[in-house]
Amino acid sequence: RKEVEQDPGPFNVPEGATVAFNCTYSNSASQSFFWYRQDCRKEPKLLMSVYSSGNEDGRFTAQLNRASQYISLLIRDSKLSDSATYLCVVTNTGNQFYFGTGTSLTVIP
Amino acid sequence: DADVTQTPRNRITKTGKRIMLECSQTKGHDRMYWYRQDPGLGLRLIYYSFDVKDINKGEISDGYSVSRQAQAKFSLSLESAIPNQTALYFCATSDMTSGAYTGELFFGEGSRLTVL
Repeated sequence: RKEVEQDPGPFNVPEGATVAFNCTYSNSASQSFFWYRQDCRKEPKLLMSVYSSGNEDGRFTAQLNRASQYISLLIRDSKLSDSATYLCVVTNTGNQFYFGTGTSLTVIP
Repeated sequence: DADVTQTPRNRITKTGKRIMLECSQTKGHDRMYWYRQDPGLGLRLIYYSFDVKDINKGEISDGYSVSRQAQAKFSLSLESAIPNQTALYFCATSDMTSGAYTGELFFGEGSRLTVL
């Protein structure tokens, strides 16, 4: 079983829409959780960390549900510049980072 | 200049050749990682190093070796390249020594390797 699983999409949404991505992880002892963004042919970059209490950064909201072992990312008022692949990332007790395969988002004018 | 630099950025080689991908960083981070990315498989960890004397295998280390020549340098070698090692390779760093640890990985721009 994969450490981290994501729906690969693609998600095609109009500008201004709200879109949500989910991610599940298999190891209940996982310690840290992140969403990274990867533009086409570029390196991944941290979008936001995910905290147990949930956290928000502008139009982006991340939530963690430890009981169900899933992480979510909500993007409100989608912009064309949000088009990218979003990677769910989980670390274990050995501080190894495990990546999901990514969810592709295209925001359409 | 990028904080994490990978060379070469692109390389085409033939089966059986030895290839080295190099990574250097100016961030002063203690931890360095090598990942490969394949379509539909995401990023998979090849090797990681928590300091100069510490080398650890990741999920897919077979066919690869690494060298941590200094805190700032971490090289990945393919002793005898094969076509299924065609992929996009990323080096990354993270910082555990400073009090400002965020768990963030900082990636190089990637090295695209094609093995014919």
